[in-house]
Order: sequence, then structure tokens, then C-alpha cells
Amino acid sequence: EVQLVESGGGLVQPGRSLRLSCTASGFTFGDYAMSWFRQAPGKGLEWVGFIRSKAYGGTTEYAASVKGRFTISRDDSKSIAYLQMNSLKTEDTAVYYCTRGTEVDDYGDSRTWFDPWGQGTLVTVSS
Amino acid sequence: NFMLTQPHSVSESPGKTVTISCTGSSGSIASNYVQWYQQRPGSAPTTVIYEDNQRPSGVPDRFSGSIDSSSNSASLTISGLKTEDEADYYCQSYDSSNFWVFGGGTKLTVL
Repeated sequence: EVQLVESGGGLVQPGRSLRLSCTASGFTFGDYAMSWFRQAPGKGLEWVGFIRSKAYGGTTEYAASVKGRFTISRDDSKSIAYLQMNSLKTEDTAVYYCTRGTEVDDYGDSRTWFDPWGQGTLVTVSS
Repeated sequence: NFMLTQPHSVSESPGKTVTISCTGSSGSIASNYVQWYQQRPGSAPTTVIYEDNQRPSGVPDRFSGSIDSSSNSASLTISGLKTEDEADYYCQSYDSSNFWVFGGGTKLTVL
């Protein structure tokens, strides 16, 4: 069974940093693209960022709202994807979800969709 | 910026059929695949429709998706409504500038 488990969320002050982890199991992690989404309290879903598999050099893409502040990386030997969040703002408060591209070596285009999703981890940015 | 617009809420009785629309702001919604996600309160999203009209394994055939190019919209139809279908539903598509874009979500009430 494919499973994704996020961890690392919590309360952090504005301007500080936090790193989320997504631990995967049930599939060959290195073959798949991974993505992070978020959902602010009572709001809709928002794409945060994407990392390709090693077949595409593990290159990344980011939403404009986080570009330059957030960094996605992966450790294929540990089956973990990371979301490093720097210079956090109150508007970054959300549940952060980790997901997987559904096809091996997804490049990340109009044919890419994501499943399954992890259970999410809550990040609260507040002083 | 490309946007997807959904009705804020819909409601229908058990056993009936409901359709949720998702309208693209520009271009042709038929140019990129549309996915639909179901999110029950306190839970992560799950896929109910991918690539416009495909159902993942385990999703009942009461769920169907379609595209209407004339109205530049996608639709999710749920027939034979059950109380367990009560959830938020999000459409999602792709934009070359903003990558994966979601509609604002539709709250389905089955009463």
C-alpha cells in the first residue's frame, strides 16, 4: 500500500524557518515526482511546489507565493521528501500535504495528477 | 492568471443526482485535463475523477466527469446520492504559468 506521512509541523514565529518531511512507503520512491500542497484554515487547496524524479535531475518548480522562500528536496535513499520553509509569514499558516505523481518519471505537465495524499501536517505562523 | 470557478455550495436529497460545475477563466478548459478531488471534514483530499472522466479504482461509478467546451467548463456528476458523499469537492487543472490550479471548492450537502 502506498503511504505518505508528513511530519515537522508546529507553531513558528514570523520570519523563522521550519522543515517538513514526507516519508513514503509502498513504492519505489526514486521513480516518482513528489509535490506539496497546502490548505489555509477554512480555505481551499493551493499548490506549493514540485520536485521531479532523478530521471529529470530532481528539478523543482514553485508557486509564485513561495518562490525564493521555500525549497523542496528529496533523499531517495531514505524515501523522504522535504519542504524547507524560510522567512515564514502569517499567511503561510496552513495544513501542508505531501502527494505523489501517479506515473513513473512524471515530468510535471498537464497530464500530471496526484494521488495519494498524506494526512497533512499543520503549520501555524504566529507571534 | 488562469482561474477555475465553482459554485460555493450545492445541496440535494439522498438518491438524487447532483452536478458540480467548474468554469475556466480563459483559454480552452479542454486543452488540459481536469481532476476532481473529494475532501471530507478533517481528512485529506482523495481523487474521484482524473483526466476529465476517468475513475480511480475503488471510486463507484456513481461518480462521473465531463467537459463542455461550449461553456468552457468541466462537471462532476454524482448520481444516487448517499450521505457519505457529503464533502467538499475541488476541481483542478493545469496552467503553463501557474502549474496546478484549483477551483475554490464546492460544499455538497446531502439532506
